[in-house]
Amino acid sequence: GESVGLHLPTLSVQEGDNSIINCAYSNSASDYFIWYKQESGKGPQFIIDIRSNMDKRQGQRVTVLLNKTVKHLSLQIAATQPGDSAVYFCAKSPNTGFQKLVFGTGTRLLVSP
Amino acid sequence: GAVVSQHPSWVICKSGTSVKIECRSLDFQATTMFWYRQFPKQSLMLMATSNEGSKATYEQGVEKDKFLINHASLTLSTLTVTSAHPEDSSFYICSAYPPRDGGKTQYFGPGTRLLVL
Repeated sequence: GESVGLHLPTLSVQEGDNSIINCAYSNSASDYFIWYKQESGKGPQFIIDIRSNMDKRQGQRVTVLLNKTVKHLSLQIAATQPGDSAVYFCAKSPNTGFQKLVFGTGTRLLVSP
Repeated sequence: GAVVSQHPSWVICKSGTSVKIECRSLDFQATTMFWYRQFPKQSLMLMATSNEGSKATYEQGVEKDKFLINHASLTLSTLTVTSAHPEDSSFYICSAYPPRDGGKTQYFGPGTRLLVL
């Protein structure tokens, strides 16, 4: 079946460092991958997305890389700040719209000053 | 942006009572909304898909008579936890797709924390 999993449950970095959060998926039928950030006690917040016909997409301080050959997705956060401390989930969506997401287990990012 | 709200943000109730949680899309219409529950340090678990004007679709293992879902309008879905018990204590989150991008990105509400005593 489909699954989305993360390599590391917790990632600790120093403020100012670059962070890389990884995600592996097992089924390539999906067309859309999304990264969400969830702060403690809050709902997930959309960060960035990427379509399966792309390899890279950049946002403000964030970059998502998609390697379809090895079915690997990563989120890179530049100059990590204490406010980036949260749990990050990758998710994938089927080709058609308005469908349910498949979530990964999540990686907790801890940023120390 | 797409804003999804939930009410209440937290609720404490006695065992055996029912609790209703509201999910609203504030700046878009949503024919489909989703309900999740999340236990501490775990990922989101999809409970059901709420469909406006029709019955909800429940995920395997979720009791439809326990978790009643009503999607009566294009901006409101409700989740009622009936005869709540302490094991129902959890963080409940709803989400919806704004139609503007063809239903590619789900936006989530802030969540409702339920504590059953």
